Amino acid sequence: KQEVTQIPAALSVPEGENLVLNCSFTDSAIYNLQWFRQDPGKGLTSLLLIQSSQREQTSGRLNASLDKSSGRSTLYIAASQPGDSATYLCAVNNAGNMLTFGGGTRLMVKP
Amino acid sequence: EAGVAQSPRYKIIEKRQSVAFWCNPISGHATLYWYQQILGQGPKLLIQFQNNGVVDDSQLPKDRFSAERLKGVDSTLKIQPAKLEDSAVYLCASSLPGYGWEQYFGPGTRLTVT
Repeated sequence: KQEVTQIPAALSVPEGENLVLNCSFTDSAIYNLQWFRQDPGKGLTSLLLIQSSQREQTSGRLNASLDKSSGRSTLYIAASQPGDSATYLCAVNNAGNMLTFGGGTRLMVKP
Repeated sequence: EAGVAQSPRYKIIEKRQSVAFWCNPISGHATLYWYQQILGQGPKLLIQFQNNGVVDDSQLPKDRFSAERLKGVDSTLKIQPAKLEDSAVYLCASSLPGYGWEQYFGPGTRLTVT
């Protein structure tokens, strides 16, 4: 059974810092991995999707990497802004196209 | 292109009452998912449909939860009777059929059971 862990559970940083969010998974037989953003009381917004054959994906100030063999992914946020404050969720897509989510990292960027 | 639509956005009920949630997926998306997200946790898959057939419902508490997808488009998730521990956000998502396709999520329905 796939298990996904996100560390840290919460993170508070001053504005402008570069930061890294971590995601680990136990079963490396995945189709892809997605990073989502969730604002309080809202649904999920997809940030980046990395296919199993890819090593990284970039979108603006966000960069996600994938190391399937070690069961790890990182989300790098450059020059963080207060508007980046949200919960970030990692989800792994494997057998049956089912997403298994981590518990999320709650990020607070202070002005 | 319209996204995944869900209603209602919020619902408050008393325990032992029943409730139903509705989802309309992105046009052309044959696969539809219902997830439950308890506060402070990541979403957990409840049921997955391909067209109007169930692909996976292994984590659906079938004694109180039911779901259907008539005509392979809209879907309804029902809870009867509700328990306090059912308080959560219920998220609907859709994707193209097959493996490895990106899932698109609706805004969710926040259920509070008192």
